Amino acid sequence: DGGITQSPKYLFRKEGQNVTLSCEQNLNHDAMYWYRQDPGQGLRLIYYSQIVNDFQKGDIAEGYSVSREKKESFPLTVTSAQKNPTAFYLCASSPGLADGTDTQYFGPGTRLTVL
Amino acid sequence: AQSVAQPEDQVNVAEGNPLTVKCTYSVSGNPYLFWYVQYPNRGLQFLLKYITGDNLVKGSYGFEAEFNKSQTSFHLKKPSALVSDSALYFCAVRDMWNNAGNMLTFGGGTRLMVKP
Repeated sequence: DGGITQSPKYLFRKEGQNVTLSCEQNLNHDAMYWYRQDPGQGLRLIYYSQIVNDFQKGDIAEGYSVSREKKESFPLTVTSAQKNPTAFYLCASSPGLADGTDTQYFGPGTRLTVL
Repeated sequence: AQSVAQPEDQVNVAEGNPLTVKCTYSVSGNPYLFWYVQYPNRGLQFLLKYITGDNLVKGSYGFEAEFNKSQTSFHLKKPSALVSDSALYFCAVRDMWNNAGNMLTFGGGTRLMVKP
């Protein structure tokens, strides 16, 4: 899991509430990503950011929002508009476009459960 | 467009036997290929990657992968499996040239079960 931290490890949310998942990295990476993982499925990209103050929607951005005010931080907010938010959320970072292979490294994940 | 297929949901192997986890890919340009491993309730750990050059790539924990351009495959291998290798394995691809956002596409994952 290296220099990427995610908190909390477990999160419980009531229906209708917004919750924010934290992701911090000390690898000096330019790019950061949020993925969602459902049981028995692969990873789906929610949002990504190649540089501070800029981010792009991934494949399943509806019901989520992000910000990238600092290079080391990329918080994800799961809004009440997300119809089925129960899942395992993974944050990743990579050196960025200046690195030829741009390998992504992952945090330990946050498991979100909607009650 | 880029895509990855892991045709086996689960692979079972006895400890000490060789293991193979299969991955095939599709890209319009040249591929960067990656293997990751995930243990229960943990994030993904990077194992190895293919960029260019030697078709046999060596990675962490004794794993290696063979790039085969004609078969568009990048199978993960290990000569002698350990019980501790039991985990979920993901293959991922990025098109080297036709990918403005440098995005990875992941396969659905293959669960490896190594029995004593």
